[in-house]
Amino acid sequence: AQKVTQAQTEISVVEKEDVTLDCVYETRDTTYYLFWYKQPPSGELVFLIRRNSFDEQNEISGRYSWNFQKSTSSFNFTITASQVVDSAVYFCALSEDSGYSTLTFGKGTMLLVSP
Amino acid sequence: DSGVTQTPKHLITATGQRVTLRCSPRSGDLSVYWYQQSLDQGLQFLIQYYNGEERAKGNILERFSAQQFPDLHSELNLSSLELGDSALYFCASSVGGASGVQADTQYFGPGTRLTVL
Repeated sequence: AQKVTQAQTEISVVEKEDVTLDCVYETRDTTYYLFWYKQPPSGELVFLIRRNSFDEQNEISGRYSWNFQKSTSSFNFTITASQVVDSAVYFCALSEDSGYSTLTFGKGTMLLVSP
Repeated sequence: DSGVTQTPKHLITATGQRVTLRCSPRSGDLSVYWYQQSLDQGLQFLIQYYNGEERAKGNILERFSAQQFPDLHSELNLSSLELGDSALYFCASSVGGASGVQADTQYFGPGTRLTVL
């Protein structure tokens, strides 16, 4: 069965610090998709990134970067020079190719960025 | 704004009652998914519809049911409500979602917060 583990329940940083959110996944499929979503205090879930299992290239989008390593089944998310607006709960999610695209979420990591 | 709409935003009701949550997917999306977010269970997949047909079922209680209408909007019906059903219910939509097709990105609505008293 598929599983996503986000071991960090809560992380507190001061503005401008870099922070990495960890995500470890388990799946028996060879084709799968990994996602990160952001849930700000307002409650909605905002899509950040989608990565398929055949693409291990790291990705950078502004202050956000993602490191995908199949060897360790990890898909970590780094925010560089964090800002107060980055305060949110971040969810890592997995979708297996055989699973009709349904998402299995981790428990989430709450990031608190203080000024 | 994801383009997915959900109504109502908040719902307060009593135990034993029945409620209906409504979702309109993004224009062009054929799949609708329902998820429940609670403090103890986290975000859990409930059910998926693709172009009007049920495609996948997750941890959905028998007291809960859903359907997708010809115009592709979906409704989640929750009956015989219990205190433990209090949660944030999300609807998401994607372009595809059929088996064997690569997983599409799911875009989430703002959610309906259900409080059962």
